[in-house]
Amino acid sequence: EVQLVESGGGSEQPGRSLRLSCKASGFNFDEYVMHWVRQAPGKGLEWVSGISWNSGTIGYADSVKGRFTISRDNAKNSLYLQMTSLRPEDMALYYCVKGNYVLIDGFDIWGRGTLVTVSS
Amino acid sequence: QSVLTQPPSVSAAPGQKVTISCSGSTSNIGTNYVSWYQQLPGTAPKLLIYDNNKRPSGIPDRFSGSKSGTSATLGITGLQTGDEADFYCGTWDFSLNAWVFGGGTKLTVL
Repeated sequence: EVQLVESGGGSEQPGRSLRLSCKASGFNFDEYVMHWVRQAPGKGLEWVSGISWNSGTIGYADSVKGRFTISRDNAKNSLYLQMTSLRPEDMALYYCVKGNYVLIDGFDIWGRGTLVTVSS
Repeated sequence: QSVLTQPPSVSAAPGQKVTISCSGSTSNIGTNYVSWYQQLPGTAPKLLIYDNNKRPSGIPDRFSGSKSGTSATLGITGLQTGDEADFYCGTWDFSLNAWVFGGGTKLTVL
């Protein structure tokens, strides 16, 4: 069964950092693009970042560029999101999402999400 | 303000048909495939339609997608109460170099 399990969410103060992780199973993780997509409480979906299979192509939303860093470890079937300089508007449920072969392809498998709360 | 524009809500009776529109521009829908996602209450989104009109295995043919120019449409026939959900369109935007989504459409089956 294809599965994505996020972890690392929690409550943090503005300006602090947090690192999200996603453990993948049930598919050849090292063949596919992976993404982070977030959803603020009661709001719509917002793409955060995506990374190609070999980390050679990486993209970020303007809202997080320079503050968030996406990475992956194919040997561990894991995806990461290092979040720094957190802002209240970063508060959301963060989904780990499996893409296809290039960043512009859609998302086919979604994790259940990990909640990030940013508040003083 | 989302880059892609969807109606906030649509409604129809059980058994009826409904369509959800998604309007964009030449830098997104006009030049890339559109996908649609269904988010049932309290759950993660699920892929419903990819490459404008293809259904993943397990998605019933009551769901269909189409694209024309800079707009896309999701169609749902034979509505069931279990179809009540939020629906999102999405595609890559070549000007923004980012994935963009519509604001979401809430489907109510009366």
